[in-house]
Amino acid sequence: QLQLQESGPGLVKPSETLSLTCAVSGDSINNNNCFWAWIRQPPGKGLEFIGHIFHTGSTFYNPSLKSRVTLSIDTSESQFSLQLNSVTAADTAVYYCARWSGGFDYWGLGTLVTVPS
Amino acid sequence: QAGLTQPPSVSKDLRQTATLTCIGNNNNVGDEGAAWVQQHQGHPPKQLFYRNNHRPSGISERFSASRSGNTASLTITGLQPEDEADYYCLAWDSSLSTVIFGGGTKLTVL
Repeated sequence: QLQLQESGPGLVKPSETLSLTCAVSGDSINNNNCFWAWIRQPPGKGLEFIGHIFHTGSTFYNPSLKSRVTLSIDTSESQFSLQLNSVTAADTAVYYCARWSGGFDYWGLGTLVTVPS
Repeated sequence: QAGLTQPPSVSKDLRQTATLTCIGNNNNVGDEGAAWVQQHQGHPPKQLFYRNNHRPSGISERFSASRSGNTASLTITGLQPEDEADYYCLAWDSSLSTVIFGGGTKLTVL
């Protein structure tokens, strides 16, 4: 059974960089039939796709966040990471990592990141 | 970034049937098809369907999904209290090369 676990600071200061890691266990991260994604959900709001990465390192980003986002993957450690720079209070959200295989079939529990105003 | 269109809320009586809609375009729902996730308050989303109507194991047969043109639909029969949740549709958009979400529908079971 695939499991995803997000980790990282719960509080990030304005203008700094938010960094999160998603550990993948229970299945290979080197799966040609899927990609790995970050999704966020501001308090009381809907889901927003941030971007995704293949095991090869190829990435795609939400155009609205593209200028501030970097995704990376470490297949030897079976994990992938998110960096979001120049954060503001509007970036306060629960951040989820997930696997896409025609749909998002596995999700992490999510981690709340707060950027104080 | 344009998203998929879902009604913000739907209310139905216990044991009735609810149909939730999701409107996209030829680049997303009408092309690659839609997926659906269910989210209970305070919990991560859970996959209900992928590629329009593929139901993962463990999802109740009271849930069904379909697509007609650029509109995807999720139908829940015999509504139960535990079905009260937020439901999001999502799809791969071939013109944006990314995944897009609907705004979500809050289903209330009366």
